Amino acid sequence: GAVVSQHPSWVICKSGTSVKIECRSLDFQATTMFWYRQFPKQSLMLMATSNEGSKATYEQGVEKDKFLINHASLTLSTLTVTSAHPEDSSFYICSASRDPYEQYFGPGTRLTVT
Amino acid sequence: KQEVTQIPAALSVPEGENLVLNCSFTDSAIYNLQWFRQDPGKGLTSLLLIQSSQREQTSGRLNASLDKSSGRSTLYIAASQPGDSATYLCAAYYNQGGKLIFGQGTELSVKP
Repeated sequence: GAVVSQHPSWVICKSGTSVKIECRSLDFQATTMFWYRQFPKQSLMLMATSNEGSKATYEQGVEKDKFLINHASLTLSTLTVTSAHPEDSSFYICSASRDPYEQYFGPGTRLTVT
Repeated sequence: KQEVTQIPAALSVPEGENLVLNCSFTDSAIYNLQWFRQDPGKGLTSLLLIQSSQREQTSGRLNASLDKSSGRSTLYIAASQPGDSATYLCAAYYNQGGKLIFGQGTELSVKP
């Protein structure tokens, strides 16, 4: 149990366009979902925390207008990278939580902006 | 400040060796500590989760220990295999803040 999926697994987009990444909890209801970003050879950096039906809480330094997060249901959260630039190229990982102090991670999405 | 540190950043060992990966954390008020494995270009695989009241957890050839008083956790891998090659991340959930704080990871290479 506690499976989290992400779609797509990889995406290439042109600079200036927007791209949406989906995160789904497949077999449980997630009260909280988290979005992380990971650069090559680096650890995960928390971008934002979202609770179903409410606005996401962004970490310091993360542009909320650029990284739009929607947690529309207890099984789905989306991250939209707006007006993407090459520096937004990264590995994005989501996680979902049904209990405090425990997270289940998705397989990640590789974003390349050309 | 709540921090998690992993040293070394990279480790190379010959197949069959027993090895220890280290993780240290700055604040003893953690709720739990977790070890993950990450293969290149992939997501995280949870290996072991240790609650703050526990001293160790074991799964197969893996054993993780937790010493809150010294702010340290270790992941012991017995009889290493080339398939163990990956990046190993430790992460701590602190009582305050509700966030999972990750270390920088140790990239392990097991040579045949």
